[in-house]
Amino acid sequence: AQSVSQHNHHVILSEAASLELGCNYSYGGTVNLFWYVQYPGQHLQLLLKYFSGDPLVKGIKGFEAEFIKSKFSFNLRKPSVQWSDTAEYFCAVNAQKGSSNTGKLIFGQGTTLQVKP
Amino acid sequence: DSGVTQTPKHLITATGQRVTLRCSPRSGDLSVYWYQQSLDQGLQFLIQYYNGEERAKGNILERFSAQQFPDLHSELNLSSLELGDSALYFCASSPGVGFLANYGYTFGSGTRLTVV
Repeated sequence: AQSVSQHNHHVILSEAASLELGCNYSYGGTVNLFWYVQYPGQHLQLLLKYFSGDPLVKGIKGFEAEFIKSKFSFNLRKPSVQWSDTAEYFCAVNAQKGSSNTGKLIFGQGTTLQVKP
Repeated sequence: DSGVTQTPKHLITATGQRVTLRCSPRSGDLSVYWYQQSLDQGLQFLIQYYNGEERAKGNILERFSAQQFPDLHSELNLSSLELGDSALYFCASSPGVGFLANYGYTFGSGTRLTVV
């Protein structure tokens, strides 16, 4: 079965520190990959997505992620975090392609990021 | 406002009862997905509807059912509720299936269900 693993469950950083959140998936075929963010009390919002082309994807709020196919990874990065980045971050994979794609997403368990001012 | 509307925002009910959660997708989106978010299980896919028809099913209990109506809004029915059903239930929508599904979802704000 397809699965998504986020290695860090809880990360605490100081403002201006660099961030890298790990995400690995298990699926041998082609995939669409997503990172979503959930700020406290809010709905999930799309940060960035990859489905083809340049494996380095840039998203909103200065976030980026790199798809490394050989490692089945899609790690999220930000060079300098802010207090407002405090939130929960979810990696997700859509492991179907083409006309049979239902769009179903499998989510990782999430990583809680706490940024200290 | 994401464009996906979920009602009610909060629901408190007793064990054994039945509730209905409602979701209106973003304008133009034909696919609706339901997810359950709990502390121990994370985000679990329940079921998907596309243009009125069921398209994918996940870990949805037999006590739960859903449907999508001609106006594309969807309802998730939860019956014989147990304490363990307490969770945040999210609805999401996307433009469609196939290549239209490549673009990810837009999520609603969720319904927090508390079973007492």
